Amino acid sequence: DIQMTQSPSSLSASVGDRVTISCRASQGISNYLAWYQQKPGGVPKLLIYSASTLHTGVPSRFSGSGSGTDFTLTISSLQPEDVATYYCQKSNILPFTFGGGTKVEIK
Amino acid sequence: EVQVLESGGGLVQPGGSLRLSCAASGFIFSNYAMNWVRQAPGKGLEWVSGISGSGGSTYYADSVKGRFSISRDNSKNTVSLQMSSLRAEDTAMYYCASSSGRYIDYFEKWGQGTLVTVSS
Repeated sequence: DIQMTQSPSSLSASVGDRVTISCRASQGISNYLAWYQQKPGGVPKLLIYSASTLHTGVPSRFSGSGSGTDFTLTISSLQPEDVATYYCQKSNILPFTFGGGTKVEIK
Repeated sequence: EVQVLESGGGLVQPGGSLRLSCAASGFIFSNYAMNWVRQAPGKGLEWVSGISGSGGSTYYADSVKGRFSISRDNSKNTVSLQMSSLRAEDTAMYYCASSSGRYIDYFEKWGQGTLVTVSS
């Protein structure tokens, strides 16, 4: 099975900082990658699919890039409401594995 | 308005069974694959099972294969997860989530979740 590895597992940044989260697949998955945001105590929410397509209603400060095995989620200017855990997920074939998550906090 | 609502969670003894249900509204249910995704306390997300829009294809994570069974009723806009031979490690919040179309890919619409606790 293809494994999904996220880094870092947690980060602390200041409001307004540019934040990047990495997701690496153990084998190539083309652009079949999604990103989710889960706020503390909340339900996961789809942010990005097909590696770089922003889901409806997601703020434009979020962006995704990458293809093959290496992917990145970028928050261009971190806001207090972005405090959450972020997960990547491969969306091409079984099993539909998630990465381990990256917890984002405000410094 | 799109709504996905899970029910059926609770406390069950190891080796026991439980049936989760998910009711959806606000979209053409049969056009979307449906899934169950779980999250153990303090842990990450794990896809558990999915079913195609027609109900003709079902899929399971290795961790639940042979113990869980997914089904759907497109006339009632519901999807169910029958869980048997439950183990302590099945303790989790179980979310119902739709995919983007008739086949499983990513998870677009999520319910609030229903908590399953397996303990004696």
